[in-house]
Amino acid sequence: AQKITQTQPGMFVQEKEAVTLDCTYDTSDPSYGLFWYKQPSSGEMIFLIYQGSYDQQNATEGRYSLNFQKARKSANLVISASQLGDSAMYFCAMREAYTGGFKTIFGAGTRLFVKA
Amino acid sequence: NAGVTQTPKFQVLKTGQSMTLQCAQDMNHEYMSWYRQDPGMGLRLIHYSVGAGITDQGEVPNGYNVSRSTTEDFPLRLLSAAPSQTSVYFCASSPVGTETFDEQYFGPGTRLTVT
Repeated sequence: AQKITQTQPGMFVQEKEAVTLDCTYDTSDPSYGLFWYKQPSSGEMIFLIYQGSYDQQNATEGRYSLNFQKARKSANLVISASQLGDSAMYFCAMREAYTGGFKTIFGAGTRLFVKA
Repeated sequence: NAGVTQTPKFQVLKTGQSMTLQCAQDMNHEYMSWYRQDPGMGLRLIHYSVGAGITDQGEVPNGYNVSRSTTEDFPLRLLSAAPSQTSVYFCASSPVGTETFDEQYFGPGTRLTVT
């Protein structure tokens, strides 16, 4: 069963506008972490933001915020005031604890295009 | 502090050849993992390790072996390369702290082509 679902293969946004990238997840573990990473065309993975399952408030990091709706099992990334440099692939990931370890899995990604 | 390093950056193999992708980190992280990223797709977990001597399979482990003899190193071995293993391989590490969940630090990737 797919654990992380990103339903938007590609999205366009006008420069300076806000955009929401969707992510839903599936887990029966009460303790987990949710992450968003950015992958520009150069290929490196850049950590953006993290939300713990027990965190009461939505995470924010500069222009990035995570809209965490636990009951819906969604962790959408909101980018405010989009910039041309935000054009990239964005991946949602979930880290779960298992007996003796942890495991992090990724969604298929959303490619964001920012238009001037 | 070099972070996570991977070698080589690029590699071309013939079908049936074997090779080892190297991954090292100098941050004393307990958790290390290998992912593959196929064109236009997300990262799929191959193997991971929560400490020296402990490894486990991820989503797509077939065709790959790993070992973790030290905290710093986590090599990925392809015993008999197949064209289906053409991909970009990322190694990542993170601490395993009391908060349980920490950011993963990624290496720059190894682009592997199997002909």
